Amino acid sequence: ETGVTQTPRHLVMGMTNKKSLKCEQHLGHNAMYWYKQSAKKPLELMFVYSLEERVENNSVPSRFSPECPNSSHLFLHLHTLQPEDSALYLCASSPSLAGAYEQYFGPGTRLTVT
Amino acid sequence: KQEVTQIPAALSVPEGENLVLNCSFTDSAIYNLQWFRQDPGKGLTSLLLIQSSQREQTSGRLNASLDKSSGRSTLYIAASQPGDSATYLCAVRGGKAAGNKLTFGGGTRVLVKP
Repeated sequence: ETGVTQTPRHLVMGMTNKKSLKCEQHLGHNAMYWYKQSAKKPLELMFVYSLEERVENNSVPSRFSPECPNSSHLFLHLHTLQPEDSALYLCASSPSLAGAYEQYFGPGTRLTVT
Repeated sequence: KQEVTQIPAALSVPEGENLVLNCSFTDSAIYNLQWFRQDPGKGLTSLLLIQSSQREQTSGRLNASLDKSSGRSTLYIAASQPGDSATYLCAVRGGKAAGNKLTFGGGTRVLVKP
């Protein structure tokens, strides 16, 4: 596989469930990102990791818990979510945090919280 | 705080017509500006990246201009085709003071009618 992959592509979960979203990049990049895209709102940055260290937490509720075990993998652990958390969750990566580099996006996970 | 606006929110044109998509941003201290394409329920595909020192970038039928001082960028798509139907997003990359963040506009949803 090439580029940035995300699994699962679709997820339906109840408010009491615990699930995880997975992102994998095959580009040799050192920075990875989680974004949330809700209906009728612009894409919002959630978390940024650089060399496996979290460098940004954009005021995200604690029911979202990121994990970056190595520079190729990024997880988003979900627990006790609310219906308003239903959205498309996008992962991205870039060679580094330096501003000149493009971010490459995965296809996203469509999450529905019932 | 950087804000990015895209007008119009939706656009419908007959095939063959040129498309003009507008993006404006409030803080001109940007590192670069990126245009993306997003198909329904899918991730983002990068179209063009313009560094802050550049005035425009071209790729095939696509041309993007950047006027940093006035906080504007325009994406031109020549001789539109039905396959150009998608949502187009612009995003600006803040400088170091802004944490190198990518801030997105709300997108312009384009429909090209055969």
